Amino acid sequence: DVQMTQSPSSLSASIGDRVTITCQASQGISNRLNWYQQKPGKAPKLLIADASTLEAGVPARFSGSRSGTDFTLTISSLQPEDIGTYYCQQFDNLFSFGGGTKVDLK
Amino acid sequence: EVQLVESGGDLAQPGRSLRLSCVGSGLNFADYGFSWVRQIPGKGLEWVSGVAWNGGVTGYAASVRGRFIVSRDNAKNSLYLQMDSLRPDDTALYYCVKDRTGDTDGYFESWGQGTAVTVSS
Repeated sequence: DVQMTQSPSSLSASIGDRVTITCQASQGISNRLNWYQQKPGKAPKLLIADASTLEAGVPARFSGSRSGTDFTLTISSLQPEDIGTYYCQQFDNLFSFGGGTKVDLK
Repeated sequence: EVQLVESGGDLAQPGRSLRLSCVGSGLNFADYGFSWVRQIPGKGLEWVSGVAWNGGVTGYAASVRGRFIVSRDNAKNSLYLQMDSLRPDDTALYYCVKDRTGDTDGYFESWGQGTAVTVSS
């Protein structure tokens, strides 16, 4: 099984801050990594596919990158509507999710 | 607009069965793979099971293999999850999720609002 270790589990930031979330895979998964955003009381939404490809309609302040088995989701300038929980998900060997990162306002 | 509506969630005793359903609209249902993903309230996400466009290929998480069966009826635009031998740790909100292609490809593009399953005596 591929384990996805996501950090931090929660963070508080101010509007306009740069926010970085990381996800480490327990083995090589190439770019087979997606990011989801879940707002309170809502279903998750696919945000970034294949480690770095933004889904249609996703603001350009979101970006994704990969270095080996380490993946990063960056929000360049946090906005109020970005509050929620973010999950990484691998699809190299079946499917598994990271534990999530809850983002709220400082 | 794609809509996925789940139903069938309920309170069940350990060892009993439930059958979840999901009806899709706003899409050509038969073109896509689908998965079930669950979420314990306040916790993370777990992929449970998936089925390809024609029902010919299915997959299961180790935690449910041998107890759950996924199926679909494209004529009814419907996805199902037969859940047998339920355990308390099956308690979760179960989402119906559409893939990007006809396979269970892992690009979980569209999600329903979920149906709640509680397993307790």
